[in-house]
Amino acid sequence: AQKITQTQPGMFVQEKEAVTLDCTYDTSDPSYGLFWYKQPSSGEMIFLIYQGSYDQQNATEGRYSLNFQKARKSANLVISASQLGDSAMYFCAMSPQGNQGGKLIFGQGTELSVKP
Amino acid sequence: EPEVTQTPSHQVTQMGQEVILRCVPISNHLYFYWYRQILGQKVEFLVSFYNNEISEKSEIFDDQFSVERPDGSNFTLKIRSTKLEDSAMYFCASRMGGGSYEQYFGPGTRLTVT
Repeated sequence: AQKITQTQPGMFVQEKEAVTLDCTYDTSDPSYGLFWYKQPSSGEMIFLIYQGSYDQQNATEGRYSLNFQKARKSANLVISASQLGDSAMYFCAMSPQGNQGGKLIFGQGTELSVKP
Repeated sequence: EPEVTQTPSHQVTQMGQEVILRCVPISNHLYFYWYRQILGQKVEFLVSFYNNEISEKSEIFDDQFSVERPDGSNFTLKIRSTKLEDSAMYFCASRMGGGSYEQYFGPGTRLTVT
């Protein structure tokens, strides 16, 4: 069975500093995708970044990068130069890619607070 | 920029009533999903839909739930007889397919069952 674990219920970071949000996963699927979503207090789910299990390089999207360590089954999100608008809940998710349905399995989330 | 839309944004219903939640996925997307998020909890998968049929469903998606794509744009989730525990935020999502795995979510419908 697939599982996503986010062990940090809450994190604080100073504005303009970098922060790492942890995510570990468990799967027996040979091919899978890893995702991060941001959920502000308004409630919508905003796609941030995707990493495929066979991708050789870590994914980056602007200030977001995904630190993918396949052997350790971790997919940490790094946010550089934090901004006040980054304060939100962040969810790590996984999708088995052998199954074309592609459902997302989510972790419990980490609430990030950016301090001025 | 294309986006997933959902209506209504908030629905209040009495226990035992039927509700239909509506979604308009991104127009060239092929895969459609419903998820739910009970207040303060993680997002849970309900059902995936491709080529006009359900491709996968979770244990939550029992006989009280159904999905439909009645025309080329809408994607609906019906709950036949709502229970108090169905109160949650319901998200619709879509993805393009063809090697593109990102799912884009709608803003959600908050369902309150009283």
